[in-house]
Amino acid sequence: EVQLVDSGGALVQPGGSLRLSCAASGFTFTSYWMNWVRQAPGKGLEWVANMGQDGNERYVDSVKGRFTISRDNAKNSLYLQMNSLRAEDTAVYYCARGNLAGAGIFDYWGQGTLVTVSS
Amino acid sequence: EVVLTQSPATLSLSPGERATLSCRASQSVSSYLAWYQQKPGQAPRLLIYDASKRATGIPARFSGSGSGTDFTLTISNLEPEDFAVYYCQQRGNWPPYTFGQGTKVEIK
Repeated sequence: EVQLVDSGGALVQPGGSLRLSCAASGFTFTSYWMNWVRQAPGKGLEWVANMGQDGNERYVDSVKGRFTISRDNAKNSLYLQMNSLRAEDTAVYYCARGNLAGAGIFDYWGQGTLVTVSS
Repeated sequence: EVVLTQSPATLSLSPGERATLSCRASQSVSSYLAWYQQKPGQAPRLLIYDASKRATGIPARFSGSGSGTDFTLTISNLEPEDFAVYYCQQRGNWPPYTFGQGTKVEIK
């Protein structure tokens, strides 16, 4: 059974840093692109970043230079290092797997982890 | 960036009725459009990908159509568990992947 477990969310002050984690199981992690998608409270979904099997990474413009996606294939884990956090980064962050038919088809999702940026 | 516009914002229907949800793209995304269902407090669930292909385990009452800039999600016979928010999402022009703002299907 495919499982994605998100963790690391917390309350952090503006300008602060946080590292999110996603533990994957039930599939061959190294074969898949992996994504982070976020959802601000009461709002819609926003794709944040993804990383391919070879380490190729992409970001939405609003987080470029502040967020870094990474993966540890030996630990079947995906990470999101978030620096210089802003109030507008407040959201539930989901890890999502990219389907083999297309990296941008999000076929499995974690349960989400809440990041709150506030003083 | 491709902007996806969903309509209507809210759809009020009764169980057993047919739901028709629309998603329009600001530029062609070919057939690279997906639909997701989200219930309160839960992660989204993939329903349809590549405009018309049902994801694993999705009931046949969910169907998708369209290409280019105009897409439709149809739920043929609403079940009580289908009342939720639905999002479209494109992967035809990326980065970034983008989502529509959502359509809420509520019980009339």
